[in-house]
Amino acid sequence: DQQVKQNSPSLSVQEGRISILNCDYTNSMFDYFLWYKKYPAEGPTFLISISSIKDKNEDGRFTVFLNKSAKHLSLHIVPSQPGDSAVYFCAASIIQGAQKLVFGQGTRLTINP
Amino acid sequence: DTGVSQNPRHKITKRGQNVTFRCDPISEHNRLYWYRQTLGQGPEFLTYFQNEAQLEKSRLLSDRFSAERPKGSFSTLEIQRTEQGDSAMYLCASNSYTNEKLFFGSGTQLSVL
Repeated sequence: DQQVKQNSPSLSVQEGRISILNCDYTNSMFDYFLWYKKYPAEGPTFLISISSIKDKNEDGRFTVFLNKSAKHLSLHIVPSQPGDSAVYFCAASIIQGAQKLVFGQGTRLTINP
Repeated sequence: DTGVSQNPRHKITKRGQNVTFRCDPISEHNRLYWYRQTLGQGPEFLTYFQNEAQLEKSRLLSDRFSAERPKGSFSTLEIQRTEQGDSAMYLCASNSYTNEKLFFGSGTQLSVL
């Protein structure tokens, strides 16, 4: 059973515009959510996180929104830059700290110049 | 900061052979994790250590898999009698009590022929 789902395998966005990546989860016990970015031949790199007690967290160009009632989170990147082209993974965990993360399948983001 | 180091980067083996991977975490991190990623999927949790103690193992970790972390430093993941279904990227990650972010290595790509 896929507890964390990213239903868009790929997304293409023009440079300078907003990129919105979506993620849905089914387990209501999840209380901590993260986004990771992965370039080819490298391991995932932490991008931004949000606790279930918040509905928004912002870090520079990156903002994560959490809608607990809909069990949905999204990552907004604005403005999008060519270096943002990568695979983005949404992840969730039940216990903050011990990062037994459950990952989504990933979304490949391509930023076009 | 040398990051999380994994060796080898690539391993090609024949079905039935044993393989061993090594992970060197960030030196001050006391938690170490192993994940597995197959094509088109996100990383899946396999097991994690707190210092030298293996605290949790996923159902994905069959009896052919064994992980160790002697002295709470580096870790090894051994797969005995490899099968074609073991072909995947094996990722190691680490963090500490005070930092929820997981730092991943670049992974070991295993191909079982």
